[in-house]
Amino acid sequence: ILNVEQSPQSLHVQEGDSTNFTCSFPSSNFYALHWYRWETAKSPEALFVMTLNGDEKKKGRISATLNTKEGYSYLYIKGSQPEDSATYLCASTGGGNKLTFGTGTQLKVEL
Amino acid sequence: DSGVTQTPKHLITATGQRVTLRCSPRSGDLSVYWYQQSLDQGLQFLIQYYNGEERAKGNILERFSAQQFPDLHSELNLSSLELGDSALYFCASKPGQGVGGYTFGSGTRLTVV
Repeated sequence: ILNVEQSPQSLHVQEGDSTNFTCSFPSSNFYALHWYRWETAKSPEALFVMTLNGDEKKKGRISATLNTKEGYSYLYIKGSQPEDSATYLCASTGGGNKLTFGTGTQLKVEL
Repeated sequence: DSGVTQTPKHLITATGQRVTLRCSPRSGDLSVYWYQQSLDQGLQFLIQYYNGEERAKGNILERFSAQQFPDLHSELNLSSLELGDSALYFCASKPGQGVGGYTFGSGTRLTVV
């Protein structure tokens, strides 16, 4: 994988559903993996930064895992709420300092 | 308010013109990054400054330039503007160059007509 890829591109779930998205990134020369939450008309907000293989981070109902050997990360949202509706971006840094972003997963949580 | 201030929020200008976008990083942050988001594309890295010096360059066109001043604010200059330069331009800052989340500004929406 040369770029950061996210799937699915968009997702509609019902309130209370649990959901997860995938981020694939180049595993060679890996340094860190970032997840951001981006609400419409606002700026991206950092959720997690992970560096170690097997790392798991949690913030409330949102958690993330990291597999640096195979180059993927999962973001999980438990019991989705309408306020979770946003675009979730992942980005990786490899060696240098610049973040390479995926195109995001757009989540819509419906009542 | 994230602490990163970008001005202006919106800018409409004609092709061939030159504009300057401004970014004030969060207090204490030495690193400033510029990103461009065009329609249907992810955030594309343009350039990074650390404490006044250019540290990394991405897909930045030769018509674009940037600098970081002694007070750590940064400016992105876009010249000979084309319709395709219409995009959302984000600035982000972080304390140093190590691992850590970026703090993004709210962006400048540039429309070239």
